[in-house]
Amino acid sequence: SQTIHQWPATLVQPVGSPLSLECTVEGTSNPNLYWYRQAAGRGLQLLFYSVGIGQISSEVPQNLSASRPQDRQFILSSKKLLLSDSGFYLCAWSDLSGGDEKLFFGSGTQLSVL
Amino acid sequence: GQSLEQPSEVTAVEGAIVQINCTYQTSGFYGLSWYQQHDGGAPTFLSYNALDGLEETGRFSSFLSRSDSYGYLLLQELQMKDSASYFCAVFNKFYFGSGTKLNVKP
Repeated sequence: SQTIHQWPATLVQPVGSPLSLECTVEGTSNPNLYWYRQAAGRGLQLLFYSVGIGQISSEVPQNLSASRPQDRQFILSSKKLLLSDSGFYLCAWSDLSGGDEKLFFGSGTQLSVL
Repeated sequence: GQSLEQPSEVTAVEGAIVQINCTYQTSGFYGLSWYQQHDGGAPTFLSYNALDGLEETGRFSSFLSRSDSYGYLLLQELQMKDSASYFCAVFNKFYFGSGTKLNVKP
């Protein structure tokens, strides 16, 4: 069966520090991968999505970047965090090649920038 | 661009029926999904409608009208554990609405 791993669960970082969040998927190949951010009590904002290795689409101009160095690995990064980068970050995958319209989410990372 | 509109909050009593509406504007529409998220947790998939009509899955049903760009999630026989946020999402890069917080009271 397929599983998605996301870590860390919580992170407290000072303003101006770098960020690296990692997400890996097991049990499937060539998944579509997504990064979302959710502010407290709000909806999910699509940040990046990827249909393959090295293929990244950015949805919102911001202080973040994403990379996909391997088929089942998706990384969210920042060189210098801002206060506004605080939020709940969620990684997700889908298998659209099989006509699967479902998104499967990781457990999320609560990021607090202080 | 995309926009999805949902009520921000709904309150209902245990055992009742509640309907959460979603209207959307998007290009390249393929279908409408619904997700449930409990506080502090990750969203989980509930249902998906690609065609007009009603899809039923246990106590939950979802409806879509493509001509009206409208859908809803129907929750029957409400239980306390149904207290959560519910999101509609358009299946085209998976854009989400702002979510509806459902409060179920005894």
